Amino acid sequence: DQQVKQNSPSLSVQEGRISILNCDYTNSMFDYFLWYKKYPAEGPTFLISISSIKDKNEDGRFTVFLNKSAKHLSLHIVPSQPGDSAVYFCAASDSGGSNYKLTFGKGTLLTVNP
Amino acid sequence: NAGVTQTPKFQVLKTGQSMTLQCAQDMNHEYMSWYRQDPGMGLRLIHYSVGAGITDQGEVPNGYNVSRSTTEDFPLRLLSAAPSQTSVYFCASRQDTSRNEQFFGPGTRLTVL
Repeated sequence: DQQVKQNSPSLSVQEGRISILNCDYTNSMFDYFLWYKKYPAEGPTFLISISSIKDKNEDGRFTVFLNKSAKHLSLHIVPSQPGDSAVYFCAASDSGGSNYKLTFGKGTLLTVNP
Repeated sequence: NAGVTQTPKFQVLKTGQSMTLQCAQDMNHEYMSWYRQDPGMGLRLIHYSVGAGITDQGEVPNGYNVSRSTTEDFPLRLLSAAPSQTSVYFCASRQDTSRNEQFFGPGTRLTVL
């Protein structure tokens, strides 16, 4: 059973517009969420995170929104740039679980067109 | 700091061969882990370690062994390679078991024929 779901395998947006990447989770024990970005032939790099005690966290062009009742989070990138083209992974952890292991979604390939 | 390093970058094995994927970090991180990434599957946890001498299984541990004799190194051993182990392997570390973000290595692309 997939506990973290990224239902859109790919997303294409125009440069300067907003990119919205979505993530759903099923485990109600998850209380910390992260987004990672991955370029081809490189390891994932941390982008932004949010604790379940918040509903929004912002870092420059990147904002993550958390809707606990819907078990849904989203990553907004504004404005989108061609260098943002990458695979984005959503991840979640359970602070009451075993050593804060991360559960990852399958990823969404974002393409930002110039 | 070099961060998290992995060797080799690429490896081709025949079915039944064994090998060790190397991972090292120079950030004095307590927590280290191994993931595999397969097309359409995201990142799946193989094994992890919360400190030297302590390891535990992740989501997909079968066919892999790990050990953690030092804080810096966390090798992943394939005991008898199978085609199903063809994948990209990532090592990651983080400072401790708190909710800090993990730092990933560049990956090892393994093909088992």
